[in-house]
Amino acid sequence: AQTVTQSQPEMSVQEAETVTLSCTYDTSESNYYLFWYKQPPSRQMILVIRQEAYKQQNATENRFSVNFQKAAKSFSLKISDSQLGDTAMYFCAFMKHEAGGGADGLTFGKGTHLIIQP
Amino acid sequence: DGGITQSPKYLFRKEGQNVTLSCEQNLNHDAMYWYRQDPGQGLRLIYYSQIVNDFQKGDIAEGYSVSREKKESFPLTVTSAQKNPTAFYLCASREGPFSGANVLTFGAGSRLTVL
Repeated sequence: AQTVTQSQPEMSVQEAETVTLSCTYDTSESNYYLFWYKQPPSRQMILVIRQEAYKQQNATENRFSVNFQKAAKSFSLKISDSQLGDTAMYFCAFMKHEAGGGADGLTFGKGTHLIIQP
Repeated sequence: DGGITQSPKYLFRKEGQNVTLSCEQNLNHDAMYWYRQDPGQGLRLIYYSQIVNDFQKGDIAEGYSVSREKKESFPLTVTSAQKNPTAFYLCASREGPFSGANVLTFGAGSRLTVL
């Protein structure tokens, strides 16, 4: 079984600052996917960014980027030029590749509550 | 617009009653999932289904039941056997286990409170 650990229950930064959320995971799989989901106060889960483990290049989506360290089993999320609308719970999640049984969905960390202060 | 509809948004239940949460999707996705969210616990998998008329237990299936009679629908019943049912429940779907699509799409959730 795989586990996902987010060691920062809550973080607070000023608007326009850069913030990094940490995530580590444990798995014996060699091929898998990693995700960051955002859950704003509306509680709707929104995909922020995803990374395929076989890709060495770190994924980037506008102000969001990841630092994927496969050997260290680390997958941190960096938010640049943070905005008030970034205030939300952020969940790191793991999915096995289909060949390894990915049909059973996502394994989530416990989340980091990010607060952007004006 | 395609998406996932969960209903009701809020539900109150007396102890000892079974309740059913609805999840309907019009995305033509094969796989569907139910997650439970508690404060400080993240999301935990209750049940999932890869195909019509088939479903599998997740990590916390005790006290819950599901059915998958139609591709579009995956209702979750919270039975009286569930010791602590007050929680936020999220339904999700995915294009297919072997389609190459690996992103889950989520509904807006249902909040169940036991009185």
